[in-house]
Amino acid sequence: GNSVTQMEGPVTLSEEAFLTINCTYTATGYPSLFWYVQYPGEGLQLLLKATKADDKGSNKGFEATYRKETTSFHLEKGSVQVSDSAVYFCAPNTGNQFYFGTGTSLTVIP
Amino acid sequence: NAGVTQTPKFQVLKTGQSMTLQCAQDMNHEYMSWYRQDPGMGLRLIHYSVGAGITDQGEVPNGYNVSRSTTEDFPLRLLSAAPSQTSVYFCATWDGVITEAFFGQGTRLTVV
Repeated sequence: GNSVTQMEGPVTLSEEAFLTINCTYTATGYPSLFWYVQYPGEGLQLLLKATKADDKGSNKGFEATYRKETTSFHLEKGSVQVSDSAVYFCAPNTGNQFYFGTGTSLTVIP
Repeated sequence: NAGVTQTPKFQVLKTGQSMTLQCAQDMNHEYMSWYRQDPGMGLRLIHYSVGAGITDQGEVPNGYNVSRSTTEDFPLRLLSAAPSQTSVYFCATWDGVITEAFFGQGTRLTVV
């Protein structure tokens, strides 16, 4: 079946620190991979995506590379800001459904 | 262009009451889904639809019904609310061609 294992939080970082949130998945077929972000009190919105092996998705300083050999899609940012405080979800999609991880809560302190 | 509209935003129900959570989209997407979000559990799929007239169960369907009579609307019905259904509910839609999913703002439901 399809599943997602995401790094547990909560994660607390100081501003300008380096961020990594790990995500591995199992999926039938060849999924596209997504990271979604949820700010307090809001719905989920797309952060970045990658649709094939070795693709790198990027947005707002965040990056993630589609690693087919390790079935991973780790999220990274070189220098986090207070405004990055949110919950991050990894989500593969094989065409029929999005499968979401449990979410990783990030708090960035000044 | 509203995208995905969920109503109501907040609701308090008594155990045993029924209600319908509304979801409407104006993007002409075939795929629509309902998720519930609980602390530490992430988003869990309740029901989904791949087009008008077609629905199927997700991971946690018990206690919920859905129908899809039009492309635009995908209501979620709670027939007899239970405290275990206290959660935040999200509706999502996408075109089924591995593009991004668009989410509503959520409905926060409390069952007392």
